[in-house]
Amino acid sequence: AQSVAQPEDQVNVAEGNPLTVKCTYSVSGNPYLFWYVQYPNRGLQFLLKYITGDNLVKGSYGFEAEFNKSQTSFHLKKPSALVSDSALYFCAVSGTYKYIFGTGTRLKVLA
Amino acid sequence: DAGVIQSPRHEVTEMGQEVTLRCKPISGHDYLFWYRQTMMRGLELLIYFNNNVPIDDSGMPEDRFSAKMPNASFSTLKIQPSEPRDSAVYFCASSLVRTGTPYNSPLHFGNGTRLTVT
Repeated sequence: AQSVAQPEDQVNVAEGNPLTVKCTYSVSGNPYLFWYVQYPNRGLQFLLKYITGDNLVKGSYGFEAEFNKSQTSFHLKKPSALVSDSALYFCAVSGTYKYIFGTGTRLKVLA
Repeated sequence: DAGVIQSPRHEVTEMGQEVTLRCKPISGHDYLFWYRQTMMRGLELLIYFNNNVPIDDSGMPEDRFSAKMPNASFSTLKIQPSEPRDSAVYFCASSLVRTGTPYNSPLHFGNGTRLTVT
């Protein structure tokens, strides 16, 4: 069975500091992993994905994510947070069948 | 490209009424998905289409829900009769699958329809 967990409901970080939003997954076979961002009253926007290859994936708006197979994790990172990064972030995993979305982590970047 | 377009943005209706939500996917995309988002259940996949054909409707909660895709540029999700527990944000998403399955391609979401059933 596939599953994805986002252990933190909310992450607070000061502007300019690095940020990490955590995600762990469980899937049989090779995973496809995604991060999406949702701003208020908007749909989810694709940030980045891992299919295969380099463990460090670069995406939109300066975000990147690190795939760690041994820890079954796919944490979202950014070296320097902006207030405008404040939003709801979703991790998603899929195998050969069905996207599974995490419950979301609210990121709050404090000025 | 204008992205995925959903209408209406907000819908308030009374229990028992019919509700129709509309979606225009991105031109050229071959997969279309309907999701529902609630605080309690998060994002749930209701149904998806490939080239206008329904592939998996196992997420449709009840027979009160139905979805159609009469052509490549339009889809509807209908609830009849509506109930208060149907209150949620309904998202349409589309994707273009070049190889493999639709589950390794990014989804492009519309801005959703917020449905309130009183």
